[in-house]
This record gives sequence, C-alpha cells and structure tokens, in this order.
Amino acid sequence: GENVEQHPSTLSVQEGDSAVIKCTYSDSASNYFPWYKQELGKRPQLIIDIRSNVGEKKDQRIAVTLNKTAKHFSLHITETQPEDSAVYFCPERSHRNQAGTALIFGKGTTLSVSS
Amino acid sequence: DAGITQSPRYKITETGRQVTLMCHQTWSHSYMFWYRQDLGHGLRLIYYSAAADITDKGEVPDGYVVSRSKTENFPLTLESATRSQTSVYFCASRPSGPGINEQFFGPGTRLTVL
Repeated sequence: GENVEQHPSTLSVQEGDSAVIKCTYSDSASNYFPWYKQELGKRPQLIIDIRSNVGEKKDQRIAVTLNKTAKHFSLHITETQPEDSAVYFCPERSHRNQAGTALIFGKGTTLSVSS
Repeated sequence: DAGITQSPRYKITETGRQVTLMCHQTWSHSYMFWYRQDLGHGLRLIYYSAAADITDKGEVPDGYVVSRSKTENFPLTLESATRSQTSVYFCASRPSGPGINEQFFGPGTRLTVL
C-alpha cells in the first residue's frame, strides 16, 4: 500500500503451528487497522480489525496486536488449519484523495498451511 | 438480500473493444470502489466514489472510466481494451459514518482481453 509495509510476503507453516504477519505504517494519525483474508478464487473479507485506542483484540484463533510507538500491528493465527491458507491483507486508508476513504491493499501475505 | 453483485462474472473480449463491468449493491452504501487484482501486484484501486455523481481516481485509473448516476450502481468502462487490462476486477462498497469501516467486496469479474 501507499504507507504500509507487510511482512513476510509468503509464509509456510505446518498445521497446528502459529503464524504471525506484521504490518508497519508511517502515518501517526492512522487510527484503524483491519485485516482481510482472501481465499483462492474468492473475494477479500474482513476477519478482524482494531482501533488505535485498543492494544489487542482476539476472536477465537486469530488476534491483532497494535504497537503505536513502533507503528506496527500484527495478525496472529494460532493452531493453524489448512483452511487458514489464503492471502492476508492489511490495507490502509489512502491519503492521496481529499476524502481519504479509499483503502489501499497492496500485495498481501500468502499463507500456506500444510497438513 | 443480494448484497453486492457484479456482472458479468466472466468476459472475453478483443483488443480495442469497449467493455463495461457492472456493479450493484442493495445496501445503499455511500462509498463504492473498483479494484483490479493481478499476480504480483496484489489488489490495486482503480476508481472510487463517495456518493452519486462524485468519483475520484485511485492508484491505476488510466484506461478506465466510471460513472455513478445512482447510489446503487457503479459501472466501470474500458473504453478501448488492452491486453494489459486482463485481470480480475472487484467492486466493493462501504457505508459512510464514523466508526464504520468494513468494506464489502463483490464476487469479482474475470476479464480476458485477447
């Protein structure tokens, strides 16, 4: 994306392992940090998000943590399963246009979970 | 409730032809977006619209035209298709208002330009 760096670009894990994907942003004014998942041949869908006044949010096996000081947020997937295999995106609001409401997605991280 | 739909789902056309991809949403969302997805490039924003009759360029607008005469529709036109426009196109919508930021995507249109 414009101001977001996502790492790694690809990640391979064994079923049952944990996976962590990290995004670094540059705009100190950013206050919303979503994660989207896109399975092969499907549309992207929001799986979890966090706002700047919260440090961590969990939803079953997935969690997002935010480090405002270091300007990065991470997606954590525990006990990975084959159905977690997908491309994960951490989009950020575009600041190119006056409304600043468009989300820029970038290339994402391809997660492969092998059984 | 159909949500957000795209048509056609698959399209094959030839270089130089005009092609229009349709996007329709039933939620009355204010914001609508067009993205293209290509291997190695991820999802890239083409155009977006904040409301009827309000549109703006995204990351890769060249070669595309959009209009938004009605809130529920946001067609994307390739005025003279080129092979480099072969891609999967996703339409998306999102409601306006503070604290509402989830973006909903359509199923996509796979376009091949020969």
